[in-house]
Amino acid sequence: GAGVSQSPSNKVTEKGKDVELRCDPISGHTALYWYRQSLGQGLEFLIYFQGNSAPDKSGLPSDRFSAERTGGSVSTLTIQRTQQEDSAVYLCASSFLVGRLAGSYNEQFFGPGTRLTVL
Amino acid sequence: TQLLEQSPQFLSIQEGENLTVYCNSSSVFSSLQWYRQEPGEGPVLLVTVVTGGEVKKLKRLTFQFGDARKDSSLHITAAQTGDTGLYLCAGEKDFNKFYFGSGTKLNVKP
Repeated sequence: GAGVSQSPSNKVTEKGKDVELRCDPISGHTALYWYRQSLGQGLEFLIYFQGNSAPDKSGLPSDRFSAERTGGSVSTLTIQRTQQEDSAVYLCASSFLVGRLAGSYNEQFFGPGTRLTVL
Repeated sequence: TQLLEQSPQFLSIQEGENLTVYCNSSSVFSSLQWYRQEPGEGPVLLVTVVTGGEVKKLKRLTFQFGDARKDSSLHITAAQTGDTGLYLCAGEKDFNKFYFGSGTKLNVKP
């Protein structure tokens, strides 16, 4: 598969349980992002990984949320002690650099998302 | 407050009509991307604009980046029912950090 894949596609859990969401980025893409989207609205940035640098966690809404990226490829987003307000679609994207030096930019490609429902 | 203000939030038009969606900011972006998203799927990249004043065309869709690289527009000519979806703009700042607008839900009626 050439695109970003995410699993599971749907997850229903009970309040208070932990969940793990997985993202397989496009091979060769050095950057990986997690976003959250509620009810067809805009995207809320959660966390960003770039190569071997420390991740940018500035968008994580609480310490119940964490993410890791192993071997610079697959990433897992973990939500502990889920709450009903965590219900949303969780989207993963990977990006690559287009062009060189001045005028270069990054293009993101998204996975299909994981729809999380917390009962 | 959102860094990118997108308008309108909702748009319902008849097939064949023209429409324009706007993304505005007080910040300068190194690039700006437009996506279209259908229910149950992830956003699909339509175009990236990089240079101030740049205009890109994708069939009936015309994308423009403002001269100061703070705003952008998407114009659709003769809309079709297949254009229905959520349109999102995203500006890139600070190298590889993306800020999304709140989206425009477009419904094209037959």
